[in-house]
Amino acid sequence: NAGVTQTPKFQVLKTGQSMTLQCAQDMNHNSMYWYRQDPGMGLRLIYYSASEGTTDKGEVPNGYNVSRLNKREFSLRLESAAPSQTSVYFCASTEAGWGTSTDTQYFGPGTRLTVL
Amino acid sequence: QKEVEQNSGPLSVPEGAIASLNCTYSDRGSQSFFWYRQYSGKSPELIMFIYSNGDKEDGRFTAQLNKASQYVSLLIRDSQPSDSATYLCAVNIYAGNQFYFGTGTSLTVIP
Repeated sequence: NAGVTQTPKFQVLKTGQSMTLQCAQDMNHNSMYWYRQDPGMGLRLIYYSASEGTTDKGEVPNGYNVSRLNKREFSLRLESAAPSQTSVYFCASTEAGWGTSTDTQYFGPGTRLTVL
Repeated sequence: QKEVEQNSGPLSVPEGAIASLNCTYSDRGSQSFFWYRQYSGKSPELIMFIYSNGDKEDGRFTAQLNKASQYVSLLIRDSQPSDSATYLCAVNIYAGNQFYFGTGTSLTVIP
């Protein structure tokens, strides 16, 4: 049971390049999330998927797109990377579906992205 | 105004002392509250959650919730150097699954 896995662990991009961050969970969780973490800013929600087949914008969605490929996988795409997207990206999942408020989030190990 | 506010610290306590971490939130519709610990370079891991007014204890950790004052705290008794980390407060608002995080409080336990 690996929990939440993310690939890659590190990535350096040039401005304008595109890439996809991959996330998978093996806990049969319904909800999945993408956050970015910047110094002094805490964790900020980019997009989330309350259940398979649905995605919604979070606090900072601009410049990103997501795909909930199936129940296990939730990917985050940067179409044209900008230096402002330099950050640590965390994927997380919870057991609950929409309407349940008490579930714990389990986090992946993170992807450290630098955009030059 | 941010949804969740924490004092960024740093907070330093001697080994064996009680560390007190505080968090306030702005939305009265908030339903559940979480404390995560994050070591440098690692991902957040859950310490405790609480959703009823009052205290909840788990080992050396006690979470306290006061919904009237919109305030949640975490007490760490008998602090250990291994408790040195950043502590994140998170709030789940409404019945949906959006979580808002504070910026975290950095705690150092001095041997």
